Amino acid sequence: SQQGEEDPQALSIQEGENATMNCSYKTSINNLQWYRQNSGRGLVHLILIRSNEREKHSGRLRVTLDTSKKSSSLLITASRAADTASYFCATDGSSNTGKLIFGQGTTLQVKP
Amino acid sequence: GAVVSQHPSRVICKSGTSVKIECRSLDFQATTMFWYRQFPKQSLMLMATSNEGSKATYEQGVEKDKFLINHASLTLSTLTVTSAHPEDSSFYICSARGTGASGANVLTFGAGSRLTVL
Repeated sequence: SQQGEEDPQALSIQEGENATMNCSYKTSINNLQWYRQNSGRGLVHLILIRSNEREKHSGRLRVTLDTSKKSSSLLITASRAADTASYFCATDGSSNTGKLIFGQGTTLQVKP
Repeated sequence: GAVVSQHPSRVICKSGTSVKIECRSLDFQATTMFWYRQFPKQSLMLMATSNEGSKATYEQGVEKDKFLINHASLTLSTLTVTSAHPEDSSFYICSARGTGASGANVLTFGAGSRLTVL
Protein backbone atom coordinates (compact mmCIF):
# COMPACT_ATOMS: atom_id res chain seq x y z
CA SER A 1 0.00 0.00 0.00
CA GLN A 2 1.25 3.45 -0.78
CA GLN A 3 -0.27 4.85 2.35
CA GLY A 4 0.67 5.00 5.95
CA GLU A 5 -1.66 4.58 8.83
CA GLU A 6 -3.31 6.97 11.18
CA ASP A 7 -4.99 6.36 14.46
CA PRO A 8 -7.51 6.74 15.72
CA GLN A 9 -9.68 6.54 12.63
CA ALA A 10 -12.33 8.56 14.42
CA LEU A 11 -12.18 10.76 17.47
CA SER A 12 -15.02 12.52 19.28
CA ILE A 13 -14.31 15.04 22.01
CA GLN A 14 -15.92 17.96 23.79
CA GLU A 15 -15.05 21.52 23.00
CA GLY A 16 -12.10 22.68 25.05
CA GLU A 17 -10.47 19.27 25.22
CA ASN A 18 -7.26 18.39 23.44
CA ALA A 19 -7.22 16.07 20.44
CA THR A 20 -4.25 13.88 19.56
CA MET A 21 -3.88 12.06 16.26
CA ASN A 22 -1.07 9.75 15.30
CA CYS A 23 0.44 8.89 11.95
CA SER A 24 2.87 6.17 10.93
CA TYR A 25 4.62 5.99 7.60
CA LYS A 26 6.73 3.49 5.75
CA THR A 27 9.55 5.20 3.88
CA SER A 28 12.30 7.68 4.68
CA ILE A 29 11.19 11.27 4.30
CA ASN A 30 12.40 14.82 3.74
CA ASN A 31 9.41 16.19 5.59
CA LEU A 32 5.98 15.30 6.89
CA GLN A 33 2.93 17.47 6.58
CA TRP A 34 -0.51 17.63 8.13
CA TYR A 35 -3.56 18.67 6.18
CA ARG A 36 -7.16 19.26 7.14
CA GLN A 37 -10.21 18.46 5.04
CA ASN A 38 -13.70 19.70 5.72
CA SER A 39 -16.39 17.35 4.46
CA GLY A 40 -16.63 17.34 0.68
CA ARG A 41 -13.93 19.94 0.25
CA GLY A 42 -10.29 20.13 -0.72
CA LEU A 43 -7.39 19.95 1.69
CA VAL A 44 -5.83 22.82 3.57
CA HIS A 45 -2.21 22.71 4.63
CA LEU A 46 -1.71 23.02 8.39
CA ILE A 47 1.94 22.47 9.19
CA LEU A 48 5.16 20.98 7.82
CA ILE A 49 7.87 19.38 9.92
CA ARG A 50 11.24 18.52 8.42
CA SER A 51 12.97 15.22 9.03
CA ASN A 52 15.61 16.88 11.21
CA GLU A 53 13.01 18.49 13.45
CA ARG A 54 11.39 16.80 16.43
CA GLU A 55 8.65 19.22 17.35
CA LYS A 56 6.92 22.18 15.82
CA HIS A 57 4.19 24.54 16.95
CA SER A 58 1.70 26.67 15.08
CA GLY A 59 -0.99 28.36 17.13
CA ARG A 60 -3.01 25.62 18.81
CA LEU A 61 -1.25 22.93 16.80
CA ARG A 62 1.71 20.92 18.00
CA VAL A 63 3.36 18.34 15.78
CA THR A 64 6.00 15.84 16.80
CA LEU A 65 8.11 13.64 14.58
CA ASP A 66 10.04 10.51 15.49
CA THR A 67 11.94 9.34 12.43
CA SER A 68 13.33 6.30 14.25
CA LYS A 69 9.78 5.05 14.74
CA LYS A 70 8.52 6.56 11.48
CA SER A 71 5.70 8.23 13.32
CA SER A 72 4.23 11.66 13.92
CA SER A 73 1.52 13.10 16.10
CA LEU A 74 -0.72 16.11 15.77
CA LEU A 75 -2.07 17.71 18.90
CA ILE A 76 -4.85 20.28 18.75
CA THR A 77 -5.21 22.07 22.05
CA ALA A 78 -8.36 23.71 23.39
CA SER A 79 -10.42 22.31 20.55
CA ARG A 80 -13.35 24.19 19.04
CA ALA A 81 -16.41 22.97 17.20
CA ALA A 82 -14.90 24.53 14.06
CA ASP A 83 -12.01 22.06 14.31
CA THR A 84 -14.41 19.30 13.26
CA ALA A 85 -12.86 17.86 10.09
CA SER A 86 -10.70 15.04 8.80
CA TYR A 87 -6.97 15.32 9.36
CA PHE A 88 -4.38 13.66 7.13
CA CYS A 89 -0.66 13.30 7.41
CA ALA A 90 1.33 13.26 4.20
CA THR A 91 4.90 12.30 3.42
CA ASP A 92 7.12 12.96 0.45
CA GLY A 93 8.98 9.65 0.44
CA SER A 94 12.35 11.46 0.20
CA SER A 95 11.49 12.71 -3.26
CA ASN A 96 11.73 16.32 -4.35
CA THR A 97 8.95 16.01 -6.89
CA GLY A 98 6.32 17.40 -4.56
CA LYS A 99 4.43 14.11 -4.75
CA LEU A 100 2.75 13.38 -1.43
CA ILE A 101 1.44 10.13 -0.05
CA PHE A 102 -1.41 10.53 2.39
CA GLY A 103 -2.28 8.57 5.48
CA GLN A 104 -5.71 7.10 6.06
CA GLY A 105 -6.85 10.10 8.06
CA THR A 106 -8.51 10.75 11.38
CA THR A 107 -12.04 12.10 11.49
CA LEU A 108 -12.37 14.50 14.39
CA GLN A 109 -15.68 15.58 15.82
CA VAL A 110 -15.68 18.36 18.39
CA LYS A 111 -18.97 18.64 20.20
CA PRO A 112 -20.02 22.10 21.39
CA GLY B 1 -1.72 33.09 -0.67
CA ALA B 2 -1.71 30.56 -3.47
CA VAL B 3 -5.13 29.63 -4.80
CA VAL B 4 -6.14 26.68 -6.95
CA SER B 5 -9.48 26.72 -8.66
CA GLN B 6 -11.12 23.46 -9.68
CA HIS B 7 -14.13 23.24 -11.94
CA PRO B 8 -16.77 21.87 -12.00
CA SER B 9 -17.40 21.21 -8.34
CA ARG B 10 -20.10 18.70 -9.15
CA VAL B 11 -20.94 16.85 -12.33
CA ILE B 12 -23.45 14.15 -13.14
CA CYS B 13 -23.17 12.31 -16.41
CA LYS B 14 -24.45 9.23 -18.17
CA SER B 15 -22.41 6.09 -18.65
CA GLY B 16 -20.27 6.22 -21.73
CA THR B 17 -19.79 9.96 -21.81
CA SER B 18 -16.56 11.81 -21.11
CA VAL B 19 -16.11 14.43 -18.44
CA LYS B 20 -13.41 17.08 -18.23
CA ILE B 21 -12.27 18.59 -14.94
CA GLU B 22 -10.14 21.72 -14.90
CA CYS B 23 -7.56 22.75 -12.35
CA ARG B 24 -6.16 26.26 -12.47
CA SER B 25 -3.54 27.99 -10.38
CA LEU B 26 -4.85 31.53 -10.05
CA ASP B 27 -1.96 33.57 -8.74
CA PHE B 28 1.11 31.45 -9.32
CA GLN B 29 2.67 29.28 -11.96
CA ALA B 30 2.40 25.57 -11.35
CA THR B 31 4.96 23.50 -13.18
CA THR B 32 3.60 20.40 -11.53
CA MET B 33 0.08 19.46 -10.60
CA PHE B 34 -1.19 16.30 -8.99
CA TRP B 35 -4.50 14.54 -9.39
CA TYR B 36 -5.97 12.56 -6.53
CA ARG B 37 -9.06 10.42 -6.21
CA GLN B 38 -10.95 9.99 -2.96
CA PHE B 39 -13.67 7.50 -2.14
CA PRO B 40 -16.13 8.26 0.66
CA LYS B 41 -14.57 8.19 4.10
CA GLN B 42 -11.22 7.19 2.64
CA SER B 43 -7.91 8.83 2.04
CA LEU B 44 -6.58 10.42 -1.12
CA MET B 45 -5.06 8.13 -3.71
CA LEU B 46 -2.55 9.73 -6.05
CA MET B 47 -3.54 9.08 -9.64
CA ALA B 48 -0.97 10.97 -11.63
CA THR B 49 1.57 13.75 -11.73
CA SER B 50 0.92 16.36 -14.38
CA ASN B 51 3.95 18.21 -15.73
CA GLU B 52 3.63 21.30 -17.88
CA GLY B 53 4.67 20.60 -21.43
CA SER B 54 5.24 16.89 -21.03
CA LYS B 55 3.32 13.67 -20.55
CA ALA B 56 1.76 12.92 -17.21
CA THR B 57 3.23 10.26 -14.98
CA TYR B 58 0.61 7.78 -13.83
CA GLU B 59 0.66 5.77 -10.65
CA GLN B 60 0.56 2.00 -10.84
CA GLY B 61 -2.88 0.69 -11.57
CA VAL B 62 -4.23 3.93 -13.06
CA GLU B 63 -5.32 3.60 -16.68
CA LYS B 64 -3.81 6.45 -18.66
CA ASP B 65 -6.22 5.94 -21.54
CA LYS B 66 -9.11 6.17 -19.12
CA PHE B 67 -7.91 9.24 -17.27
CA LEU B 68 -6.43 11.66 -19.78
CA ILE B 69 -4.32 14.45 -18.31
CA ASN B 70 -3.23 17.53 -20.18
CA HIS B 71 -1.05 20.28 -18.71
CA ALA B 72 -0.83 22.71 -21.60
CA SER B 73 0.13 25.81 -19.64
CA LEU B 74 1.73 26.79 -16.36
CA THR B 75 -1.67 27.55 -14.87
CA LEU B 76 -3.96 24.85 -16.22
CA SER B 77 -4.18 21.08 -15.98
CA THR B 78 -7.18 19.07 -17.08
CA LEU B 79 -8.33 15.57 -16.22
CA THR B 80 -10.70 13.90 -18.66
CA VAL B 81 -12.51 10.79 -17.54
CA THR B 82 -13.24 9.01 -20.80
CA SER B 83 -16.17 6.68 -21.36
CA ALA B 84 -17.20 7.08 -17.74
CA HIS B 85 -18.81 4.22 -15.86
CA PRO B 86 -20.54 4.18 -12.46
CA GLU B 87 -17.38 2.83 -10.82
CA ASP B 88 -15.63 6.05 -11.86
CA SER B 89 -17.92 7.97 -9.55
CA SER B 90 -15.68 9.58 -6.99
CA PHE B 91 -14.28 12.82 -5.60
CA TYR B 92 -11.38 14.06 -7.72
CA ILE B 93 -9.00 16.61 -6.23
CA CYS B 94 -6.16 18.45 -7.90
CA SER B 95 -3.24 20.12 -6.24
CA ALA B 96 -0.50 22.32 -7.47
CA ARG B 97 3.13 22.76 -6.54
CA GLY B 98 4.46 26.24 -7.04
CA THR B 99 7.82 27.28 -8.40
CA GLY B 100 8.88 29.33 -5.41
CA ALA B 101 11.60 27.78 -3.26
CA SER B 102 9.95 28.62 0.04
CA GLY B 103 6.63 27.03 -0.82
CA ALA B 104 7.89 24.27 -3.03
CA ASN B 105 7.16 21.49 -0.56
CA VAL B 106 3.62 22.54 0.22
CA LEU B 107 0.75 21.74 -2.07
CA THR B 108 -2.25 23.94 -2.65
CA PHE B 109 -5.42 22.00 -3.26
CA GLY B 110 -8.48 22.71 -5.32
CA ALA B 111 -11.89 22.30 -3.71
CA GLY B 112 -12.49 19.03 -5.51
CA SER B 113 -14.93 17.76 -8.12
CA ARG B 114 -17.58 15.21 -7.28
CA LEU B 115 -18.33 13.02 -10.27
CA THR B 116 -21.45 10.89 -10.36
CA VAL B 117 -21.89 8.55 -13.29
CA LEU B 118 -25.39 7.22 -13.77
